[in-house]
Amino acid sequence: SYELTQPPSVSVSPGQTARITCFGDASPKPYVYWYQQKSGRAPVLVIYEDNKRPSGIPERFSGSSSGTMATLTISGAQVDDEADYYCYSTDISADHRGVFGGGTKVTVL
Amino acid sequence: QVQLVQSGAEVKKPGASVKVSCKASGFTFTRYGISWVRQAPGQGLQWVGWISAYNGNTLYAQKLQGRVTMTTDRSTSTAHMELRSLKSDDTAIYYCARRGEHIDYWGQGTLVSVYS
Repeated sequence: SYELTQPPSVSVSPGQTARITCFGDASPKPYVYWYQQKSGRAPVLVIYEDNKRPSGIPERFSGSSSGTMATLTISGAQVDDEADYYCYSTDISADHRGVFGGGTKVTVL
Repeated sequence: QVQLVQSGAEVKKPGASVKVSCKASGFTFTRYGISWVRQAPGQGLQWVGWISAYNGNTLYAQKLQGRVTMTTDRSTSTAHMELRSLKSDDTAIYYCARRGEHIDYWGQGTLVSVYS
């Protein structure tokens, strides 16, 4: 079955750039979505269709995709960005069932 | 504004069934689907399944196929997820979420605890 692989953790200093990767080897490559989940809260959509930002999401969040890798970039990370981040996509070989990556804990300190 | 309000926490014994509800407001219910996602304690997100509020079509995670049933009540804009033959590793927060082109708005989550 289709799997999405993320690093377990990423650390970044305030004001620096954090990059979170999501590896998935489906072909053709479906869109990737990114969700932010703060402790004890429901997830929030921060990027959709690889690189689109929903209204209300700060511009410092951006997404990109190339080959088998999707990347969420937080430019000028803030302490408030500390959270778990999950990539999500669909398994084309399984009727487009949803698949989440394992999640990446982003620490800003 | 878009809101998804879920039913309260449940405590069940192994082998029992649980039904979680998700009441939608602030959008035209039948133009969207509802996805269900769960999160075991300290773990990541796991996709459970999806139902179209337009025609009732469903798609379930393969590992839960046969134990899960999703339904909608268009008269009350409410989605339901029933999970049967509960096991201890079904203990999780269950989220409903609106799905149009993608999953965007989420409910607050419902904790389902399974223990003897």
